[in-house]
Amino acid sequence: GQQVMQIPQYQHVQEGEDFTTYCNSSTTLSNIQWYKQRPGGHPVFLIQLVKSGEVKKQKRLTFQFGEAKKNSSLHITATQTTDVGTYFCAAPGYFGTGTSLTVIP
Amino acid sequence: NAGVMQNPRHLVRRRGQEARLRCSPMKGHSHVYWYRQLPEEGLKFMVYLQKENIIDESGMPKERFSAEFPKEGPSILRIQQVVRGDSAAYFCASSLRPGTGSSGGELFFGEGSRLTVL
Repeated sequence: GQQVMQIPQYQHVQEGEDFTTYCNSSTTLSNIQWYKQRPGGHPVFLIQLVKSGEVKKQKRLTFQFGEAKKNSSLHITATQTTDVGTYFCAAPGYFGTGTSLTVIP
Repeated sequence: NAGVMQNPRHLVRRRGQEARLRCSPMKGHSHVYWYRQLPEEGLKFMVYLQKENIIDESGMPKERFSAEFPKEGPSILRIQQVVRGDSAAYFCASSLRPGTGSSGGELFFGEGSRLTVL
């Protein structure tokens, strides 16, 4: 299966600070998905990116797909405590290692 | 429209026993995936099934683990002769379209089955 790496593995931020997680693949991806898993919960689909260089926004979340379709990023502006959880990218079906976000009130 | 249903939610087994985890996909979904998640770790892909067929089992351990998705009824992940290292959360997901490869569709996850091996 696909191998996708995410960095950082853990991130602690003060509430109101921004947060970014990066996803990298050694191979070109047809598309990439992002999921969020709250502590003790199950992964929930956030978005799918398909086109090279695509940028999508959901309120304070901005998702990018690299021009070469080998990397992607998720940026959260002005984090809130509700953003706590682990964010996974997925080369369809195969999940990255995840970034665990802690927001300090 | 009910979501992905997994049962049992919690399962305790002693070493050497068998564990059977069930997953009913969302209505209309014929693609099912199983993942294993250890505490504080990511989702490890195990197997992808379509009705009556195993499409990709590249993540399944070669021994003791098996999965099926019969024409009728839920998908089942079976772990024989469980060991302590099998303790984990097992998540099932389903999709309307194939969730792997170029046409990758959105995956809908169940709430997971948490296996504890004593």
